[in-house]
Amino acid sequence: KAGVTQTPRYLIKTRGQQVTLSCSPISGHRSVSWYQQTPGQGLQFLFEYFSETQRNKGNFPGRFSGRQFSNSRSEMNVSTLELGDSALYLCASSLEGTGRYGYTFGSGTRLTVV
Amino acid sequence: SQQGEEDPQALSIQEGENATMNCSYKTSINNLQWYRQNSGRGLVHLILIRSNEREKHSGRLRVTLDTSKKSSSLLITASRAADTASYFCATETGANNLFFGTGTRLTVIP
Repeated sequence: KAGVTQTPRYLIKTRGQQVTLSCSPISGHRSVSWYQQTPGQGLQFLFEYFSETQRNKGNFPGRFSGRQFSNSRSEMNVSTLELGDSALYLCASSLEGTGRYGYTFGSGTRLTVV
Repeated sequence: SQQGEEDPQALSIQEGENATMNCSYKTSINNLQWYRQNSGRGLVHLILIRSNEREKHSGRLRVTLDTSKKSSSLLITASRAADTASYFCATETGANNLFFGTGTRLTVIP
């Protein structure tokens, strides 16, 4: 079956702009989590959605937001981009979000803010 | 701050040798997972060990967990050049999110 699909793969934006990233989970998976990966901070949890509801949120400013649609696809939005937002953004899907069987990650969206 | 620390940060071995990576974490966990990442791409789930388990095997992988020391180790036996990647441990505490370690960069020399 198809894996986790993230679009776009690469993105270049200017400081102050906003950006929307998309994640389509594995069919049947209802939980989608988002992570930010940077060389300095490593992999950090942004938020998790389950059945269109945000269940958990990491320690990121309000400029980072997300949502999940009824088909479990999720979007992540970053407003007023800063240079420090340059990172690889990964989404992960799981059946229930408990991670009992591990999470399946997408290939990521590499965002560069200039 | 990140939940876990991994040791060593980088490891270089010859093909056929074994590779051992260690992970330490700070709080009680539900499970600990290991992931592999090739060249800044997505993470691939390798193995999950629950807090009530002490050892688990999957192919050439062996994971141990010592909850009293809050540590885990990943052993890759008979390494191959294709095992070259970064390896991360990640802990789950029950809140449906993972806390990742800092990662070990493994290079297997053919």
